[in-house]
Amino acid sequence: AQSVTQPDIHITVSEGASLELRCNYSYGATPYLFWYVQSPGQGLQLLLKYFSGDTLVQGIKGFEAEFKRSQSSFNLRKPSVHWSDAAEYFCAVARTGGGNKLTFGTGTQLKVEL
Amino acid sequence: EPEVTQTPSHQVTQMGQEVILRCVPISNHLYFYWYRQILGQKVEFLVSFYNNEISEKSEIFDDQFSVERPDGSNFTLKIRSTKLEDSAMYFCASRDRLNTEAFFGQGTRLTVV
Repeated sequence: AQSVTQPDIHITVSEGASLELRCNYSYGATPYLFWYVQSPGQGLQLLLKYFSGDTLVQGIKGFEAEFKRSQSSFNLRKPSVHWSDAAEYFCAVARTGGGNKLTFGTGTQLKVEL
Repeated sequence: EPEVTQTPSHQVTQMGQEVILRCVPISNHLYFYWYRQILGQKVEFLVSFYNNEISEKSEIFDDQFSVERPDGSNFTLKIRSTKLEDSAMYFCASRDRLNTEAFFGQGTRLTVV
């Protein structure tokens, strides 16, 4: 069964600092990989996705993520964090066949200090 | 931009009552999902639905749960006899045949008292 691990429950960064949120997955083949963001009381917004091809993917709001097959990782990065980035971030994996159900990690709560 | 719409945004119900959560997926999408998120926990898959039938369900999705696409636009989740532990945010999602990206609605917060 597929699984996702987000080892950092909480992260605090200063505004303008760089950010990296970690995500490791367990799956027998190359899955589809996603990062979603959830602001308080809001739904899930897709930041970026990896299906195949270039392992460095660009998303919305200046985020990027890199798929590293050898490390089974899909870490999310942003070079300069804005206060509005404070939210909860979820990494998710989907099987490459079948119904493409998503398996989510436990999330990383990002706090941005001004 | 097309979006997935869920109603109501918040529902409070008494234990043992039936609730129906409603979703309007994006119009050309063919795959539909329900997920839930208990407060402070991760988002969990409940069920997927394609071609008017359930294609996959989790162990959470027991006989108390059912899904239906009663017309060409709505997708509903029914909980027959709610329990306190059903209190959660319920998310509907949809995707089209060619794109494995799922679009999520804003969620319905269900509170069982």
